[in-house]
Amino acid sequence: AQRVTQPEKLLSVFKGAPVELKCNYSYSGSPELFWYVQYSRQRLQLLLRHISRESIKGFTADLNKGETSFHLKKPFAQEEDSAMYYCALGGGADGLTFGKGTHLIIQP
Amino acid sequence: GAGVSQSPSNKVTEKGKDVELRCDPISGHTALYWYRQRLGQGLEFLIYFQGNSAPDKSGLPSDRFSAERTGESVSTLTIQRTQQEDSAVYLCASSWPAGGVGYEQYFGPGTRLTVT
Repeated sequence: AQRVTQPEKLLSVFKGAPVELKCNYSYSGSPELFWYVQYSRQRLQLLLRHISRESIKGFTADLNKGETSFHLKKPFAQEEDSAMYYCALGGGADGLTFGKGTHLIIQP
Repeated sequence: GAGVSQSPSNKVTEKGKDVELRCDPISGHTALYWYRQRLGQGLEFLIYFQGNSAPDKSGLPSDRFSAERTGESVSTLTIQRTQQEDSAVYLCASSWPAGGVGYEQYFGPGTRLTVT
């Protein structure tokens, strides 16, 4: 069965510090991985997906098949990055499998 | 254009009552998903609709849950004889063009269901 693990429920860093949100997955095939974000009072939205290999709002995520990880990183955190972040796997007919989420708080 | 909409936004019901949740996907999106999010948990996939194809209902938590979709438009999720463990936020998402793996899902604001 596929699984997504986000080990940190809460991560607090100071503005300007680097951020790394951890995500590990379990999947037997070639994974499709995503990061979704939910800002306060907003709906869940896509932040980035690994197939696009893009940087969104300064965030990047690299798929490491050897470590089965897809950690989200940003070199310099900004206050507006405070949100809930969910790592997700899959899609299509089986839907997405989500981790439990990490609440990121950026302190001024 | 308009995003995915859901109604009601909040629903409080007594244990044992039936509830119906509605989702309006983005126009033109052929794929539609329902998820459930219990407090402190990640999203749990419930069911997927693709066009007019019959959905796979194996992800629904129990036979009290059912879902329908009219063509490629509105979907309803019905919970019969609600139980307290059904309390959660129910999220709907749609995707284009065929909802395949790797495509972005667009989420609605959710319906918060509280069973007392």
